[in-house]
Amino acid sequence: AQSVSQHNHHVILSEAASLELGCNYSYGGTVNLFWYVQYPGQHLQLLLKYFSGDPLVKGIKGFEAEFIKSKFSFNLRKPSVQWSDTAEYFCAVLGGDDKIIFGKGTRLHILP
Amino acid sequence: DSGVTQTPKHLITATGQRVTLRCSPRSGDLSVYWYQQSLDQGLQFLIQYYNGEERAKGNILERFSAQQFPDLHSELNLSSLELGDSALYFCASSASRGGPAFFGQGTRLTVV
Repeated sequence: AQSVSQHNHHVILSEAASLELGCNYSYGGTVNLFWYVQYPGQHLQLLLKYFSGDPLVKGIKGFEAEFIKSKFSFNLRKPSVQWSDTAEYFCAVLGGDDKIIFGKGTRLHILP
Repeated sequence: DSGVTQTPKHLITATGQRVTLRCSPRSGDLSVYWYQQSLDQGLQFLIQYYNGEERAKGNILERFSAQQFPDLHSELNLSSLELGDSALYFCASSASRGGPAFFGQGTRLTVV
């Protein structure tokens, strides 16, 4: 069965620091990968997604993620975070059975 | 505003009761997804519909059912409610089958 693992449950950074949130998945076939963000009190929003092609995917708000097939990873990065990036971030994988599985989420707290 | 509308926003009901949650997808989106978010289970995929037909099923209990109507809105029916069903229920939509793109604000269900 497919699964998604987000290693960091809680990350605290200062403004302007660089961010990397880890995401590993287990699924033997072709996958589609997603990162979603949930700002406090709001609904989830799609940050970026990978279906095929260039493994480096650029999303909204300066985020990017790199799909490394050999490592089953899809880490989220941002070179310089802002206080407004404080939110919970979810990695998700969509396998061939059309079931989308979410990770447990990473709470990111940016110190002003 | 994501364009996905969920009603009601809050619902408080007693154990053993039945409730119906409603979702209107973004205009033109054919896929509707339902998720349950709770503190202990995280974000769990329940079920997906595409253009009126069930497309994928996740961790949906037998006490729960859903359908998508010809006008593409969807309803999630939860019956014989238990305290553990208290959670935030999200609906999401997308134009195709490639994963949820737009989420609603959710319905917070409290079972007392």
